Amino acid sequence: EDQVTQSPEALRLQEGESSSLNCSYTVSGLRGLFWYRQDPGKGPEFLFTLYSAGEEKEKERLKATLTKKESFLHITAPKPEDSATYLCAVQASIGGGADGLTFGKGTHLIIQP
Amino acid sequence: DADVTQTPRNRITKTGKRIMLECSQTKGHDRMYWYRQDPGLGLRLIYYSFDVKDINKGEISDGYSVSRQAQAKFSLSLESAIPNQTALYFCATSETWTGKAFFGQGTRLTVV
Repeated sequence: EDQVTQSPEALRLQEGESSSLNCSYTVSGLRGLFWYRQDPGKGPEFLFTLYSAGEEKEKERLKATLTKKESFLHITAPKPEDSATYLCAVQASIGGGADGLTFGKGTHLIIQP
Repeated sequence: DADVTQTPRNRITKTGKRIMLECSQTKGHDRMYWYRQDPGLGLRLIYYSFDVKDINKGEISDGYSVSRQAQAKFSLSLESAIPNQTALYFCATSETWTGKAFFGQGTRLTVV
């Protein structure tokens, strides 16, 4: 059974204080690991896809990295508008890849001015 | 206009009632999904569809049914709603080769 565990559950930072969110996973053959951002009352919004260990992706203040067992979402000098819940999900290669995504429970990030 | 549109956005219904949640997309994707989100449990897959002739059960399909009326339309039904089906429901589409998913704005369903 595919599993995704995110930590911490919640994180409060001061504006400009860099940190990292963790996503540990077990999957029967990784097709892709996804990071999404979710604002209250809205649907998840795609951020990154990572396909193989060692891969990195960047977007503004966010950088995602991938190893064989976990992924990190690094947030550099965050701003209050980065406050959101960040979701990690995996898609398995076994099962045709159309089985949908297995999500973690998310990290609720608050950036204080 | 949103790429993935869900209706209604909010719904309160009584135990035992039948209810349908609708989803339409303009992405042109073949793959569509229904998820539910509960506090502390995250997003869980209910049903998914490869195309109009293909329907598959997800992790938590009991108590739900779906219909794929066209490539662009995928509806979720609760035949006899119960209170523990109170949740936030999301429809999504995905790109076939990348798996990248696009979500609707969600339907907040309350069963009383």
